[in-house]
Amino acid sequence: KAGVTQTPRYLIKTRGQQVTLSCSPISGHRSVSWYQQTPGQGLQFLFEYFSETQRNKGNFPGRFSGRQFSNSRSEMNVSTLELGDSALYLCASSHWVRSDTDTQYFGPGTRLTVL
Amino acid sequence: ELKVEQNPLFLSMQEEKNYTIYCNYSTTSDRLYWYRQDPGKSLESLFVLLSNGAVKQEGRLMASLDTKARLSTLHITAAVHDLSATYFCAVQNTGNQFYFGTGTSLTVIP
Repeated sequence: KAGVTQTPRYLIKTRGQQVTLSCSPISGHRSVSWYQQTPGQGLQFLFEYFSETQRNKGNFPGRFSGRQFSNSRSEMNVSTLELGDSALYLCASSHWVRSDTDTQYFGPGTRLTVL
Repeated sequence: ELKVEQNPLFLSMQEEKNYTIYCNYSTTSDRLYWYRQDPGKSLESLFVLLSNGAVKQEGRLMASLDTKARLSTLHITAAVHDLSATYFCAVQNTGNQFYFGTGTSLTVIP
């Protein structure tokens, strides 16, 4: 079974630009979550999508948005990039049936650098 | 907001020694997870703990959960170099949102 894939793996942008990151979950997984990881703030939850609906949202400004498609693939968009948006963006997928083995499976991440 | 604290943040331990990483969380939760992250890599799921008193073991790692104390521990037995990584605990609230601890960077030295 293929794992979670994220594209692109590395991205360099300048302040003020916008960026779109893509995540393809494990086949059959309907829940996709996005996280921002930085050395200073650690792992912070951005949002979660389930069956094309945003089910949870973290404490990030409106410049961060996302969506999920009918095939469960998800994209996140960051507009008007700031230097502080430089981070590793991780996507995770799961079944979310809350079984005793259900967990999130993480993709390799997209390393975004804002200059 | 649910808070998750891990300690220690950094841990340098000799091979063959035992040590414990602690994870405290602020509000009631029935699901706790442990993950491992190698440098430059993504997170790998280690354990899912669902109920008070739950204990799971895999190799030299053993995780436990005390929901009354809001505490989980990750015990490392007879550490080996391959265990060097950053370990995260995460707590899931009833709304399926995850809250991660700060991570514990473990270095095993000969």
